[in-house]
Amino acid sequence: SQQGEEDPQALSIQEGENATMNCSYKTSINNLQWYRQNSGRGLVHLILIRSNEREKHSGRLRVTLDTSKKSSSLLITASRAADTASYFCATDIIQGAQKLVFGQGTRLTINP
Amino acid sequence: DTEVTQTPKHLVMGMTNKKSLKCEQHMGHRAMYWYKQKAKKPPELMFVYSYEKLSINESVPSRFSPECPNSSLLNLHLHALQPEDSALYLCASSLLPPPFSYNEQFFGPGTRLTVL
Repeated sequence: SQQGEEDPQALSIQEGENATMNCSYKTSINNLQWYRQNSGRGLVHLILIRSNEREKHSGRLRVTLDTSKKSSSLLITASRAADTASYFCATDIIQGAQKLVFGQGTRLTINP
Repeated sequence: DTEVTQTPKHLVMGMTNKKSLKCEQHMGHRAMYWYKQKAKKPPELMFVYSYEKLSINESVPSRFSPECPNSSLLNLHLHALQPEDSALYLCASSLLPPPFSYNEQFFGPGTRLTVL
């Protein structure tokens, strides 16, 4: 089963508003990453947060991590039309083969 | 050079064809990956190469055959595919391979494969 579950599956907001996406996972992790994917294209790494970090910022992005709740959130402030994309969280599983496992993704649409 | 390139961008093949997908990176990364992505789904890991050796095979059918000729190049050879294998095939690379704590992966734009 997928390690990460994202919520909501789809989100539509007006340009300039903030967008928040959530990710929950099941097992202990070393770090959690967020990626963006424009329609039918490759993924672009946005931000990595380590298990001993609680919050991280990068430009208009803010990521939080709550290891006690096994959840993370991605906040995009002052959204732009160019932010329209699918957003995936990805976790590495401490036990086992230590591969990166992606959540189901949130499809974000920014309306002009 | 900070990108991963993939060729071809699109590929249509019959079930009896043999074709290959190519991936290249010149960032000095020591791990390279193949993912399969169906529409509206997350990428699913297929193979991992660490220091040019196959380290992870996610129980992928033998009709998919990976090859890593050198540290910059990764191929995926396709033979006798099924229509359900139609998907976006993504290549990625990272500076360090498992079991080190994961750093970011750099993805190529993908090859859109259609099997008729």
